[in-house]
Amino acid sequence: AQSVSQHNHHVILSEAASLELGCNYSYGGTVNLFWYVQYPGQHLQLLLKYFSGDPLVKGIKGFEAEFIKSKFSFNLRKPSVQWSDTAEYFCAVIPRGGGGNKLTFGTGTQLKVEL
Amino acid sequence: EPEVTQTPSHQVTQMGQEVILRCVPISNHLYFYWYRQILGQKVEFLVSFYNNEISEKSEIFDDQFSVERPDGSNFTLKIRSTKLEDSAMYFCASRVTGELFFGEGSRLTVL
Repeated sequence: AQSVSQHNHHVILSEAASLELGCNYSYGGTVNLFWYVQYPGQHLQLLLKYFSGDPLVKGIKGFEAEFIKSKFSFNLRKPSVQWSDTAEYFCAVIPRGGGGNKLTFGTGTQLKVEL
Repeated sequence: EPEVTQTPSHQVTQMGQEVILRCVPISNHLYFYWYRQILGQKVEFLVSFYNNEISEKSEIFDDQFSVERPDGSNFTLKIRSTKLEDSAMYFCASRVTGELFFGEGSRLTVL
């Protein structure tokens, strides 16, 4: 079974600072990778996804993530955060191929951006 | 854009009562899921459903839980006798290929 680790549980940044949130996964085969964001009191929204191809993927709101296969990592980045980026961020992985496979989430990183 | 819809958005119930949470997945999707998120915690997998049967379930999904796709469009989660610890946000999701599409969630409060 797959697992996902997010090492930063709480991150506090000032506006305009750069962001990098770590995500590592464990699984023996190929996977699809995702980052979701959850704003306070809201539902999950997809930020970006990686299925194949260019390992650097760009998502909404200026976020990007890089898949490094050798490190089993899919770190999320943003060059300059805004106060409105305050939210919880979840990395998730699903094995590729086959039906009924579950999406497994990391424990989440709570990001607080201060003015 | 097609979306997964969930009802109710919020339900308050007494401990021991039965609750049914409803979901309408995206129409051409084949795989259906329920997840839950206890306040302040991670999003946890409950169950996946494919071809009219459960394909995988977590240890959370005990005999108090059941899922059904009664009419080809709805996908329901039933909690037979709710406990205080069932209080959570419940998310439905569906997919046809690699990406899951999530609904906005149903917040269940058990008193």
